[in-house]
Amino acid sequence: AQRVTQPEKLLSVFKGAPVELKCNYSYSGSPELFWYVQYSRQRLQLLLRHISRESIKGFTADLNKGETSFHLKKPFAQEEDSAMYYCALKQGGNTPLVFGKGTRLSVIA
Amino acid sequence: EPEVTQTPSHQVTQMGQEVILRCVPISNHLYFYWYRQILGQKVEFLVSFYNNEISEKSEIFDDQFSVERPDGSNFTLKIRSTKLEDSAMYFCASRDSDYGYTFGSGTRLTVV
Repeated sequence: AQRVTQPEKLLSVFKGAPVELKCNYSYSGSPELFWYVQYSRQRLQLLLRHISRESIKGFTADLNKGETSFHLKKPFAQEEDSAMYYCALKQGGNTPLVFGKGTRLSVIA
Repeated sequence: EPEVTQTPSHQVTQMGQEVILRCVPISNHLYFYWYRQILGQKVEFLVSFYNNEISEKSEIFDDQFSVERPDGSNFTLKIRSTKLEDSAMYFCASRDSDYGYTFGSGTRLTVV
C-alpha cells in the first residue's frame, strides 16, 4: 500500500531563511506527487504537482525516485507562507489521493 | 477561478441524528471525492464517485455513510446515526481527468 511520510509536525523558520518541508513516499509504481497548502481554517489548495514542474509562490519540489522523496523548498520564507502543508500521492487512474500528516510551517518575523 | 462549494460551513447535530453534507463540484469535473479531517489529524479519504457510482471507498466509509448525486450539480454525503467520533471537517473535492483535485472549503461537523 502507498504511504506518505512527513517527518516534521512543526517547522519554524525566520523570515528570509530557506525552507525545506520533507516528504517521503512508499509506492512501487510511478506515482503522481502533490503539495497542498491549507491556510488557517481555509480549504486545501493545490500548490504544486510534480509533473508540471512549475514554481508557485516561490516554492519548488523535485521528485527524487531514488530517495522516494518530494521535498518542498523555498529559498526565502515569507510570513504569509505560514500554513499547513500536506504532501499527497496518487497512483494512476481514478485512485484517491493519499495524504501525509502535514507539516505546520511557522515563519517568524 | 471555478470553485467547489460546500454547505453548510458548520453543522452541529445531536448524537444519533442524520446529517447531509452538500457539495457542488466544478461543473465539468467527472470525479468526486469526500475526505475528512479530524481535528489535529491528517486528511483521510472516505469515498470516490464516478459515473454515478462509488468507485472506491475506505474502511472508514461503512454502512453509516452514503453518497448521492441527486441531480446534475449536487454531490451529497449522508451520515446516518452520527457518533461523537464523526466530528471532523469534511472536504469535498472534484477533478477532471487531467488536473489535480480541487477541494471545497469544508463543512465542520460537530456531534454533541
